[in-house]
Amino acid sequence: AQSVTQLDSHVSVSEGTPVLLRCNYSSSYSPSLFWYVQHPNKGLQLLLKYTSAATLVKGINGFEAEFKKSETSFHLTKPSAHMSDAAEYFCVVSDDSISGTYKYIFGTGTRLKVLA
Amino acid sequence: ETGVTQSPTHLIKTRGQQVTLRCSSQSGHNTVSWYQQALGQGPQFIFQYYREEENGRGNFPPRFSGLQFPNYSSELNVNALELDDSALYLCASRGPANTEAFFGQGTRLTVV
Repeated sequence: AQSVTQLDSHVSVSEGTPVLLRCNYSSSYSPSLFWYVQHPNKGLQLLLKYTSAATLVKGINGFEAEFKKSETSFHLTKPSAHMSDAAEYFCVVSDDSISGTYKYIFGTGTRLKVLA
Repeated sequence: ETGVTQSPTHLIKTRGQQVTLRCSSQSGHNTVSWYQQALGQGPQFIFQYYREEENGRGNFPPRFSGLQFPNYSSELNVNALELDDSALYLCASRGPANTEAFFGQGTRLTVV
């Protein structure tokens, strides 16, 4: 069965410093992986996705993630944090094991705090 | 904007009542899924509809049911509300050419 583990429930960084949000996945086959961001009282916005093309995936707002099969990881990074990046981030694996069912399995989330 | 809209944005119901939440997807998005997000947790998959038929379900009891309509709108119905049903309910839609789902802003349901 597919699953994701977000290794940090809270991350605090100073504005202008790098961001690293860690995610490990478990999948019996080549997974589709996503990072979504959720700002307070808002829905989920797609940051980036990996679907078996390039292993280094670039997303919106300067975020990127690298798919590492040997480490079963899909960590999210950004070179320089901005105050507007403060939000909840979810790592997601798509469970396509049943044909035609695109079930998302979410991690427990990482709350990113950006300090001025 | 994702093109997925949900209504209402907030709702308060009494335990034992029934509730209907609505979602309007982008034209052409023939797959819609519903998720429940309890406070402080990640969203949990409730079920998925494809061309007006349920074709996938998570670990939710039958009192959670849905409908999908030809005009790309859908409903989530919950009967016999319990206090633990208090959560943010998210609708997500996907078109045949998409590899990702597009989420609405959610409906915050409070059961008292």
